[in-house]
Amino acid sequence: NAGVTQTPKFQVLKTGQSMTLQCAQDMNHNSMYWYRQDPGMGLRLIYYSASEGTTDKGEVPNGYNVSRLNKREFSLRLESAAPSQTSVYFCASSQRDRTFRSTDTQYFGPGTRLTVL
Amino acid sequence: GDSVTQMEGPVTLSEEAFLTINCTYTATGYPSLFWYVQYPGEGLQLLLKATKADDKGSNKGFEATYRKETTSFHLEKGSVQVSDSAVYFCALSYNAGGTSYGKLTFGQGTILTVHP
Repeated sequence: NAGVTQTPKFQVLKTGQSMTLQCAQDMNHNSMYWYRQDPGMGLRLIYYSASEGTTDKGEVPNGYNVSRLNKREFSLRLESAAPSQTSVYFCASSQRDRTFRSTDTQYFGPGTRLTVL
Repeated sequence: GDSVTQMEGPVTLSEEAFLTINCTYTATGYPSLFWYVQYPGEGLQLLLKATKADDKGSNKGFEATYRKETTSFHLEKGSVQVSDSAVYFCALSYNAGGTSYGKLTFGQGTILTVHP
């Protein structure tokens, strides 16, 4: 049981290049999330997908796009990378409680460290 | 909007010392509160949570009590170990319905270093 996996672990881009960060979970979770982590700012939500077929913007969506490919996979795309997107990116997933009585615990992947030069 | 504020770090302690990491929040509704821990080179993992006022979350010797009157969720441990060295994040999320459901709002994180 791998949990949440992310690829790649490290990436260096030049300004203007594009790339896609991959995320997959094997826990049959409904909801998936992309966060970025910057020093002194905690984690900030970029996009999330409450269920297969839906995506919504989070706190910092500009410069990113996402695709919920299927229930397992949720990718994050940078169309034209900028130095301000240098960060550590985390994917997470959670299982929505059908009764809505409790808040989901989110399970995080190991992260992708991205540097944009 | 919602926000979470943690005490400034880094925090450096000797093994077996008492730990407190302060966390306060502002929220428009009645959130659930969480502490996540991030060990070096890893992703975040849930340490403990509390879903309503006066609930106490506990795990691995860590405790935190949901205090609605002071909007706080301070993390405590009676005797820290070197293996507790990590970054600790306080966070909030909402339970049922609404557009905010399931989304975590994090504090900035507190680095803890424990020396032998």
